[in-house]
Amino acid sequence: SQTIHQWPATLVQPVGSPLSLECTVEGTSNPNLYWYRQAAGRGLQLLFYSVGIGQISSEVPQNLSASRPQDRQFILSSKKLLLSDSGFYLCAWSVQGTNEKLFFGSGTQLSVL
Amino acid sequence: GENVEQHPSTLSVQEGDSAVIKCTYSDSASNYFPWYKQELGKRPQLIIDIRSNVGEKKDQRIAVTLNKTAKHFSLHITETQPEDSAVYFCAAFSGSARQLTFGSGTQLTVLP
Repeated sequence: SQTIHQWPATLVQPVGSPLSLECTVEGTSNPNLYWYRQAAGRGLQLLFYSVGIGQISSEVPQNLSASRPQDRQFILSSKKLLLSDSGFYLCAWSVQGTNEKLFFGSGTQLSVL
Repeated sequence: GENVEQHPSTLSVQEGDSAVIKCTYSDSASNYFPWYKQELGKRPQLIIDIRSNVGEKKDQRIAVTLNKTAKHFSLHITETQPEDSAVYFCAAFSGSARQLTFGSGTQLTVLP
């Protein structure tokens, strides 16, 4: 069966520090991968999605970036965090070619202070 | 692109009552409509979905209805229980954009 791992679960970072969140999927190959952000009490905002290694589409311009160095690995990064980057970050995957059902990771609660 | 609107943003019901959450979508090419439940601090989880060739689908206390002509779909929860308290998100999958678009979420509170 397929599983998705996301870490860390919580992170407290000072403004201006770098960020690296990692997500890996097991039990499937060539998945679509996604990064979502959820501000407190808000909906799901799609940040990035990827249909293959090295292929990243950005939905929202910001100081975040994403990379997919391996088929089942998706990384969210920032060189310098802003206060507004605080939120709940969710990685998700779907079956390549269908894009329909999303399966979410357990999320990372990021607090930028 | 697709636009999904969800109402209400908050909903409180007494335990045992029914809850209804409604969503509308804009893209007539959308053909798949899932509903996700997100408990506080947890990941969203798929609870029920419906495809455009079906008008209604039921799974125990949860049902979803779809009106393709009017471009709206609804989640119905009967005999609500405190553990139903969560944020519920509707979504629509556009065949043209090949992406899921989410509604803004409904915070459901079931009062004991």
